[in-house]
Parts: sequence; structure tokens; C-alpha cells
Amino acid sequence: TQLLEQSPQFLSIQEGENLTVYCNSSSVFSSLQWYRQEPGEGPVLLVTVVTGGEVKKLKRLTFQFGDARKDSSLHITAAQPGDTGLYLCAGAEGNEKLTFGTGTRLTIIP
Amino acid sequence: NAGVMQNPRHLVRRRGQEARLRCSPMKGHSHVYWYRQLPEEGLKFMVYLQKENIIDESGMPKERFSAEFPKEGPSILRIQQVVRGDSAAYFCASSPPIGRNTGELFFGEGSRLTVL
Repeated sequence: TQLLEQSPQFLSIQEGENLTVYCNSSSVFSSLQWYRQEPGEGPVLLVTVVTGGEVKKLKRLTFQFGDARKDSSLHITAAQPGDTGLYLCAGAEGNEKLTFGTGTRLTIIP
Repeated sequence: NAGVMQNPRHLVRRRGQEARLRCSPMKGHSHVYWYRQLPEEGLKFMVYLQKENIIDESGMPKERFSAEFPKEGPSILRIQQVVRGDSAAYFCASSPPIGRNTGELFFGEGSRLTVL
């Protein structure tokens, strides 16, 4: 079973600060995705990274896929209260199931 | 375009009863996945189905749990003789057919099962 470990598990920071969340595995994935989940709702896809070393930006969010396609990071600049939520990374095994990470629960304090 | 539809959103059952959770995938999607989420945890894969076929059920408990995706109608996750440990949020996701599939999943809002 492929495992994805996310760190930190919980993060609480002040509005305006920067933060980085990590997603690590010993396995290689064909692609890696980041989702955000809010209470009472399903996960919503933020980004998919496919190529080793790939960097994608989504407004204040920067996603990077490790060169060996085993790990990824999510960096948020100038965090806002609307960024609060559960961030989940997920590794794709070909065209089939996703293996989800353990999650990082982010709280942005106004 | 309607998204993935799950019902019921909330379900309460007593120990020993049966729970049936339904999922209608997005239009044009032929793959359905079921995941379970416990409070403050990530999502655990349960089963992956295509129409009339179970492709991967490696995450399904060996007993009491079953899933189907018939030719017509929604996918159903069935839990027989529920126990308190079955209390969780069950999420369904769908994706397009292979060939148009980049591995991205589209999730429903989940069905929250509470076993008393």
C-alpha cells in the first residue's frame, strides 16, 4: 500500500503570513493532486502536477512536484482566512484510484 | 452540468440495520470511486467501479460491505448489519472514461452515516 504523509498535520497562523505544507511518499506517482476540503463538503481539486520538478501557481498558491515524483509541496503567500480548510494531497496510480495523504488542517487567524 | 450527486446526505441507523448510500456520477463519467473519511482524517479508498464491473475493491472490508454500479441507475454502497465503527463520511467520486482521464476525480458532497 502506497502511503502519503503530510506535514504538518495541523497549522494555525496569522493572516498575512506565508506557509508551506509538505506531502511525502516513498513511492513514485504518475501524477499528484492537491485538494481542499471544507467542513461538510467533498474535496475540491486545486491542481494536478504531472512532470517531475513541475511548478504550478494558482493566485497565491504555489505547487511543486518533486524531481523524483515522490513528493510535493504547497506554498501559500499572504494567507487569508478564506484559505482555512483541510488540504489533501493525492497520488495517482496510472488512470485508476487515488491514494490520499493524511491531510493538513490549516487555520488562518484574522 | 450537474456534479456528482450523493444521497442521502445524512443517514442515522441503529446497530444491526442496513445502510444504502447512492451516487450518481457526473454526466459522461463512467468510473465511480467510493472513499471513507473518519473525523480529522484523510480519505481511505474503498472501491473502484465501472458500469457493471468492480475494478478494484482492495479497500473494502471483507464482510458486510458491498458495492455495485448497475447498467442503469446510481452506484450503491451497501453496509449490512452496521456497527458503531461504520460511522463516517462516505464520499463518492467520478471520472471520465480512460483515454480522457487525467486521474482527476470529482467528488460529491458525501453521505454522513451515524450508527447509534
